[in-house]
Amino acid sequence: AQTVTQSQPEMSVQEAETVTLSCTYDTSESDYYLFWYKQPPSRQMILVIRQEAYKQQNATENRFSVNFQKAAKSFSLKISDSQLGDAAMYFCAYDGGSQGNLIFGKGTKLSVKP
Amino acid sequence: DVKVTQSSRYLVKRTGEKVFLECVQDMDHENMFWYRQDPGLGLRLIYFSYDVKMKEKGDIPEGYSVSREKKERFSLILESASTNQTSMYLCATKRLLVDQETQYFGPGTRLLVL
Repeated sequence: AQTVTQSQPEMSVQEAETVTLSCTYDTSESDYYLFWYKQPPSRQMILVIRQEAYKQQNATENRFSVNFQKAAKSFSLKISDSQLGDAAMYFCAYDGGSQGNLIFGKGTKLSVKP
Repeated sequence: DVKVTQSSRYLVKRTGEKVFLECVQDMDHENMFWYRQDPGLGLRLIYFSYDVKMKEKGDIPEGYSVSREKKERFSLILESASTNQTSMYLCATKRLLVDQETQYFGPGTRLLVL
């Protein structure tokens, strides 16, 4: 069965600095998608970035980028120039199962200090 | 933009009550999902549906049932609420089952069972 592991329950970063959130996963599939979702306090979960496993190039969305290491089954999220609005729970998720549902990690709570 | 709405943001019920949580989407997505979110556990799949009147069990279906009579509407039913069902419930939708499309989430319903 596929699993997703986020080893950092909480992280903290100074405003304007860079932070990296870790995620590892386990799968025997070769074709799958990986996602990072952001859930601000009391607000809706939204997609931050997605990566297709067959693409070697790391996905980038403005200040957010990933380091996708397929052989190591690692999918970390880098947030550059951190802003106060980046404070949230971040979930790493895997989609590759026949059911079509996402398999989530337990989340990392990111705090941003002014 | 995809819009996913849930009938209540906060709900307080008593043990033994029958509880209905409703999710409505406006993007004609085939697939709809119910997740439960608990601190330290991430999101876990309860049930999902890939078509009207079709449903499949997720990882934690015990104590829950679902109904999908119309494509845009997916209801989660707690037949007899118990205190261990106190949680945040998230609905999500996705366009197609076979492609790893992005899932879109509703705002969540925070349920307290007394």
